Amino acid sequence: EAQVTQNPRYLITVTGKKLTVTCSQNMNHEYMSWYRQDPGLGLRQIYYSMNVEVTDKGDVPEGYKVSRKEKRNFPLILESPSPNQTSLYFCASMSTHLGLNNSPLHFGNGTRLTVT
Amino acid sequence: SQQGEEDPQALSIQEGENATMNCSYKTSINNLQWYRQNSGRGLVHLILIRSNEREKHSGRLRVTLDTSKKSSSLLITASRAADTASYFCATDGGRSYNTDKLIFGTGTRLQVFP
Repeated sequence: EAQVTQNPRYLITVTGKKLTVTCSQNMNHEYMSWYRQDPGLGLRQIYYSMNVEVTDKGDVPEGYKVSRKEKRNFPLILESPSPNQTSLYFCASMSTHLGLNNSPLHFGNGTRLTVT
Repeated sequence: SQQGEEDPQALSIQEGENATMNCSYKTSINNLQWYRQNSGRGLVHLILIRSNEREKHSGRLRVTLDTSKKSSSLLITASRAADTASYFCATDGGRSYNTDKLIFGTGTRLQVFP
């Protein structure tokens, strides 16, 4: 089954404790992206990757890191989490064979992160 | 400011009624997409309409696009309780925005009562 898999689904951590949220897709998509969703603010892009070893900042990259060493994986790293990073996070992927943004984004089921 | 803004923010209807949601955007686009999100879950793609298309259908969904008014509407006919979800439009921003991303609106929350 074609899917984007994020782990963990829920995560509670304390300020300053490094964490990684994993994302994997099995559709051989070139493009992958991380979003955070907050009430009243909608979906905001954190980082994206056009292909292996190519990553770029989105709208709200501060406090986050990503890597794209393999096509299927795009982990999100919070080196020193803070309470303002409490949010619902989504990973997504897209094929770019028809051109960027001409195909649907496929989303994972989300990671609800709470930083105390 | 948001490239796509949905209207209304919330909508409550009875099963069997039609639900109409609107999306307005600010710049030229190459295409516009609609997504659905069940509470706390990932977004699911519903339909993509290109800038040279005026209307598109998929099952009980009908999407229209008016590029002169920079607006789109999503109509769900004969709604069901299972249609309860949030609905988002997303645009690519055409040539005016950084086109390396889709820009999402803040969504319409649809509640369908049995």
